[in-house]
Amino acid sequence: GAGVSQSPSNKVTEKGKDVELRCDPISGHTALYWYRQSLGQGLEFLIYFQGNSAPDKSGLPSDRFSAERTGGSVSTLTIQRTQQEDSAVYLCASSPGTSGQETQYFGPGTRLLVL
Amino acid sequence: AQRVTQPEKLLSVFKGAPVELKCNYSYSGSPELFWYVQYSRQRLQLLLRHISRESIKGFTADLNKGETSFHLKKPFAQEEDSAMYYCALSGLDNAGNMLTFGGGTRLMVKP
Repeated sequence: GAGVSQSPSNKVTEKGKDVELRCDPISGHTALYWYRQSLGQGLEFLIYFQGNSAPDKSGLPSDRFSAERTGGSVSTLTIQRTQQEDSAVYLCASSPGTSGQETQYFGPGTRLLVL
Repeated sequence: AQRVTQPEKLLSVFKGAPVELKCNYSYSGSPELFWYVQYSRQRLQLLLRHISRESIKGFTADLNKGETSFHLKKPFAQEEDSAMYYCALSGLDNAGNMLTFGGGTRLMVKP
């Protein structure tokens, strides 16, 4: 079946604009994760969903970042009033559940450049 | 807090030479350790995990709780092994199963 997909693959925006990044997880996967991959910080966890709920938002770097998931499937990561330091590759992953036994499957990422 | 350290940003070896990519972790609970690999222009994918005790593409990794290490080894490197390798940790007693990644090691296998 299809893997995790993300859109857009690339996004260039101007500082101060809002952006929305989309993730389509593997069908049937209840857990969904957002990570950010940047030059200075490496790969860092942002937020995860179990179903439509986000029990842990501690990884979001500021209140400009928010995420939602609807229907236990598609998730959207929104960055408001983008800053240059938001430039990074945003990765989405999904897994069947959230136990430590589960493997996370990653999407191709969205490369965000804030000018 | 949990932390993963990969001390080498770049490791360059010749084809056929042994390879060891180092990974050390810090975690007070029960960890599950993973190695993820990212080949050029491909997505991040799981290479192997401690709990499976498998050998994938000739790579193995042993969890050493005394030294808090999970080094990745391969006896004879191949050119197609050139990629970015990330060690990651998940806390088995943490809700959520989020991964903490090391900084990554770029492996270059020269002909």
